[in-house]
Amino acid sequence: DAGVIQSPRHEVTEMGQEVTLRCKPISGHNSLFWYRQTMMRGLELLIYFNNNVPIDDSGMPEDRFSAKMPNASFSTLKIQPSEPRDSAVYFCASSLPYSGAFFGQGTRLTVV
Amino acid sequence: RKEVEQDPGPFNVPEGATVAFNCTYSNSASQSFFWYRQDCRKEPKLLMSVYSSGNEDGRFTAQLNRASQYISLLIRDSKLSDSATYLCVVNKDQNTDKLIFGTGTRLQVFP
Repeated sequence: DAGVIQSPRHEVTEMGQEVTLRCKPISGHNSLFWYRQTMMRGLELLIYFNNNVPIDDSGMPEDRFSAKMPNASFSTLKIQPSEPRDSAVYFCASSLPYSGAFFGQGTRLTVV
Repeated sequence: RKEVEQDPGPFNVPEGATVAFNCTYSNSASQSFFWYRQDCRKEPKLLMSVYSSGNEDGRFTAQLNRASQYISLLIRDSKLSDSATYLCVVNKDQNTDKLIFGTGTRLQVFP
């Protein structure tokens, strides 16, 4: 299995632009997570899907952030408009029920 | 109080030493517990699950104390390659797969 696949690996964008991060979870995993990691705040859970349905989005910082999971093999995290404080590493992870999650390699986002 | 708390370290130990990390969690309803390892500029990787009876994987031993709500990780015979940040992870409660990560404990093993 290829594991969780994220794209792009790196993204540099200007403030105000729309950014879309993509994730393909491990086949058969029914939970998908989007995390954000910064030096200051550590690893923060943004949103959690179960069977393609958003279960908990309480970690989404504000309305500029949105996430979708149209099917079991694909999810997106969108930031519109982006701001410099959104700069971070964004991880996608997937898991089976009550099991540890497996992470993708992350997208390193820089907003200038 | 944070949901998952860890000593950030760093723990600086010589090769061959034994080192232990502790982690406390706030929700007594949590049911799943894990230790992850994260290398610099890499993604977190699942190191081991933590079971009530305690479990061992080679040089690594994990234990859970439900009464006191803490989890521990013991590393014996430390190797240089063990240098990393170790993250304690707990599920939110028994009804969800939502995983809450601690901020991590940094380990540096020196020759």
